[in-house]
Amino acid sequence: GDSVTQMEGPVTLSEEAFLTINCTYTATGYPSLFWYVQYPGEGLQLLLKATKADDKGSNKGFEATYRKETTSFHLEKGSVQVSDSAVYFCALSESRASGGSYIPTFGRGTSLIVHP
Amino acid sequence: DVKVTQSSRYLVKRTGEKVFLECVQDMDHENMFWYRQDPGLGLRLIYFSYDVKMKEKGDIPEGYSVSREKKERFSLILESASTNQTSMYLCASQTERTTTNEKLFFGSGTQLSVL
Repeated sequence: GDSVTQMEGPVTLSEEAFLTINCTYTATGYPSLFWYVQYPGEGLQLLLKATKADDKGSNKGFEATYRKETTSFHLEKGSVQVSDSAVYFCALSESRASGGSYIPTFGRGTSLIVHP
Repeated sequence: DVKVTQSSRYLVKRTGEKVFLECVQDMDHENMFWYRQDPGLGLRLIYFSYDVKMKEKGDIPEGYSVSREKKERFSLILESASTNQTSMYLCASQTERTTTNEKLFFGSGTQLSVL
């Protein structure tokens, strides 16, 4: 079935460093791709998404581009802050339910630690 | 904004107990989900429901059951809790659409410890 592979963490950076978190996927169809973020003690929340090839999702200085040719959706940020410390999950949607709903499948998550 | 509320933030139970985890959403969403989150394993889908009284197994349904008697409430049941069910449990909801780009809204999670 469809799957998502993320780079293992933790990723440890100094404030203002450049961030890349790699995500690749396998899918038989044309899924939408998502990045979710989980801050300490909270549930996940959507960070950004892209719905078709070459789309770029962006939010809060983070960006990711849907690359169909390399089946990738890498998360980037030019200058990280301490407040970006969190766990980041890559996900793709796939049709699973009888009603045709699209259900996300998540990667294992990558922990980001940003030091002052 | 959508609110997904899980009834307990922390729960401690004993092996063999029957455990109920409750989740309520306030935006009339059709789809609701239960995931468990474990270090190094990410989120794994236990069950989801796409309508009242309708449910489908996810990737790891063994040892769990669910109930959805009302649209806003989705309960996860551990019939006889075991220590390997110690985990963080996350509930989520989603507007049902036959498109690929509908996001999930998550609750804050219930950290269950089974002793």
